[in-house]
Amino acid sequence: DVKVTQSSRYLVKRTGEKVFLECVQDMDHENMFWYRQDPGLGLRLIYFSYDVKMKEKGDIPEGYSVSREKKERFSLILESASTNQTSMYLCASSFLQKTYNEQFFGPGTRLTVL
Amino acid sequence: KNEVEQSPQNLTAQEGEFITINCSYSVGISALHWLQQHPGGGIVSLFMLSSGKKKHGRLIATINIQEKHSSLHITASHPRDSAVYICAVGKGAQKLVFGQGTRLTINP
Repeated sequence: DVKVTQSSRYLVKRTGEKVFLECVQDMDHENMFWYRQDPGLGLRLIYFSYDVKMKEKGDIPEGYSVSREKKERFSLILESASTNQTSMYLCASSFLQKTYNEQFFGPGTRLTVL
Repeated sequence: KNEVEQSPQNLTAQEGEFITINCSYSVGISALHWLQQHPGGGIVSLFMLSSGKKKHGRLIATINIQEKHSSLHITASHPRDSAVYICAVGKGAQKLVFGQGTRLTINP
């Protein structure tokens, strides 16, 4: 079975803190994604990586950065957390493919910024 | 306007009822996905389709490419079907665009 794991299920941080969210997949997928999910807005893409050290901005990259030093690991960094970054964060991975785009999701991290 | 629109946003039904969730999209797609998210967050893929119809147990997904519309049906609904159902379309080769989700509650 494909497994995508995230470092925390729940996280509480203070405004201004630097926050690291980690994602690891065990299926040798080329693509990895970070999304945030908010009520009424659905999943929105923050960043996408299609290879080690490669990244591409998604729809809402402001306030976030990412790191992909190894193929299996994709980190999301909140440089200075703010209350409007309180959300559910979901990581996903998929093969690099020409047509279909099936993605496999981690369990999510619910981040609260106080 | 969102590229992927789902309706209804919330749906409450009694156990045993036939359920339909709709998805309309406005972009050219490579495939359409139906996903399920239970309380607690994890998302699983139910269907991936690019034409016609697929069936898995009590779940049926259909897509009409010309009308840019898909439906997810649940027959003989059960309380364990209570979840958020998400429609997503493949945009280009690698990315997905998601609908807002439909929160389904099945009462016993």
